[in-house]
Amino acid sequence: GAGVSQSPSNKVTEKGKDVELRCDPISGHTALYWYRQRLGQGLEFLIYFQGNSAPDKSGLPSDRFSAERTGESVSTLTIQRTQQEDSAVYLCASELGANYGYTFGSGTRLTVV
Amino acid sequence: AQTVTQSQPEMSVQEAETVTLSCTYDTSESDYYLFWYKQPPSRQMILVIRQEAYKQQNATENRFSVNFQKAAKSFSLKISDSQLGDAAMYFCAYDSNSGYALNFGKGTSLLVTP
Repeated sequence: GAGVSQSPSNKVTEKGKDVELRCDPISGHTALYWYRQRLGQGLEFLIYFQGNSAPDKSGLPSDRFSAERTGESVSTLTIQRTQQEDSAVYLCASELGANYGYTFGSGTRLTVV
Repeated sequence: AQTVTQSQPEMSVQEAETVTLSCTYDTSESDYYLFWYKQPPSRQMILVIRQEAYKQQNATENRFSVNFQKAAKSFSLKISDSQLGDAAMYFCAYDSNSGYALNFGKGTSLLVTP
């Protein structure tokens, strides 16, 4: 597709369950980023993939969070044993190359009840 | 880590008027990039404008322009002839040339009144 695609767009889950969020970047974009945006807040960096290099995981808030990306394709963000404080919009972005500027997906709104 | 500060949580402008959103940042680098993103209620983040720090000329994109003051570490966004569709959250972002992810400010909510 022409843009960054994220699925699902909305997810409601029970506390303690695992969830998996998907991001399909723009074809040819080497970099992929995950951010978290709590209600009314700014963007909090989670993880960054650049080509086949080791990802920058410095923003992951706990070991319940993990992400994978195979090559320059789809990425999945997994949250294990979800907590209510995980409720947020999770935004994915991809970038053609360094410093070009991100193209964002529409995000996944996660609600933990 | 570089910090980005947007000191105006909310701003309001009348349709057809001009508004300026403020952004300052803290860095010891000389080569970097700055961005403004718009996030309407649909939550889709949209790139508005991009500035390369080594370029003295201010970037412009149609009704959107920036005032980049490198020495003052200031990067304000001017929206001319404001339209109802400009109502959104606006985020300023800093991009290091060292391979890190974008660092965003907390955002400014812009209200456009008829």
